[in-house]
Amino acid sequence: DVKVTQSSRYLVKRTGEKVFLECVQDMDHENMFWYRQDPGLGLRLIYFSYDVKMKEKGDIPEGYSVSREKKERFSLILESASTNQTSMYLCASSLPGQVRGYTFGSGTRLTVV
Amino acid sequence: TQLLEQSPQFLSIQEGENLTVYCNSSSVFSSLQWYRQEPGEGPVLLVTVVTGGEVKKLKRLTFQFGDARKDSSLHITAAQTGDTGLYLCAGGSQGAQKLVFGQGTRLTINP
Repeated sequence: DVKVTQSSRYLVKRTGEKVFLECVQDMDHENMFWYRQDPGLGLRLIYFSYDVKMKEKGDIPEGYSVSREKKERFSLILESASTNQTSMYLCASSLPGQVRGYTFGSGTRLTVV
Repeated sequence: TQLLEQSPQFLSIQEGENLTVYCNSSSVFSSLQWYRQEPGEGPVLLVTVVTGGEVKKLKRLTFQFGDARKDSSLHITAAQTGDTGLYLCAGGSQGAQKLVFGQGTRLTINP
């Protein structure tokens, strides 16, 4: 069964900590995405990558960075976590283009205290 | 900027009733997808439509892509409590690598 795996379902971190969210896919997809999902705001794209070592900013990249050293792994980094980064984080992957759709992970609910 | 607007944002109905959710845009999309997200989980792709006027059925769910490829609808017949969830539409454009998502419709089916 093909899937996208996010390393943690729930995380609690302190303000100022450096936080790593990991995402691994086993479908050999070129494209990978990080979204955050907040009530009333929908899905907002943080960063995406269409190839190893390639990245592009999404709609809300401030306060985040990403790393894609291997095709199957896409990491989201919060350099210095803040309370306004408390959210549900969703990783997704897809083949080039989007006609076949995204496969999403189960999400990481991050709470910054 | 391409936008997708979903309506209604919230819908609560009784089991057995029918319902329709709408996804509208002023932009033309090359494909339109529908996802369902259950609490605490990621969205799951239900269907992709690519041709104007296309209709696809998934058991009690009927999806339609507008003739002009600017809008779509999701119709559920005889809703069941298992249909409860957040329904997201997403539009894709030729050559673009990322989708545009609607804000979602939160559907609650009461027993």
